[in-house]
Amino acid sequence: KNEVEQSPQNLTAQEGEFITINCSYSVGISALHWLQQHPGGGIVSLFMLSSGKKKHGRLIATINIQEKHSSLHITASHPRDSAVYICAAGSLGEVSQGNLIFGKGTKLSVKP
Amino acid sequence: GAVVSQHPSWVICKSGTSVKIECRSLDFQATTMFWYRQFPKQSLMLMATSNEGSKATYEQGVEKDKFLINHASLTLSTLTVTSAHPEDSSFYICSAVYGAYEQYFGPGTRLTVT
Repeated sequence: KNEVEQSPQNLTAQEGEFITINCSYSVGISALHWLQQHPGGGIVSLFMLSSGKKKHGRLIATINIQEKHSSLHITASHPRDSAVYICAAGSLGEVSQGNLIFGKGTKLSVKP
Repeated sequence: GAVVSQHPSWVICKSGTSVKIECRSLDFQATTMFWYRQFPKQSLMLMATSNEGSKATYEQGVEKDKFLINHASLTLSTLTVTSAHPEDSSFYICSAVYGAYEQYFGPGTRLTVT
């Protein structure tokens, strides 16, 4: 069993829909990352969070440390949001002492 | 916010040649940088940890003589793929550590070896 599980694996939505991608992890973490990978491969760091909630534009990330669960929400989705979204858990302790455990990604397609 | 760049963003090289990929932290100093590779439809895999002023630490199964890492300054780490072969074709991504817990990713470099 992967230590970081994402769901769903694939998601198709209509433009304007509210989207939620979930990430559950079984390891103790110092921080959780949400990354966006475009079809061409380029990676964008969306959020890094260790508690609570962060918002950037139409994107919202939440984390529940007790339940070991994080969600990425996209409001008013747009075709340009189509990408693979990756959740990565940073192990406890200073990040320089360890690496990230990556989920397998959620492929999002937003149809116009 | 913290920005990490990679150069080049894509490169095509002939089998047997060497290719250097640069990873730069643009607005912060990074004592530690990580190098990952990603095969198609797979997740990122850590290759090595690059520490400024010391030798890189390689993950099991990664050949250190093939993937040379140099972290010459607090803002630059380079990955050189030596004597590249088609099986080295992949997407290479770096990340840079800011402070104790924050890690920022570069956009990646696509390497194709013909």
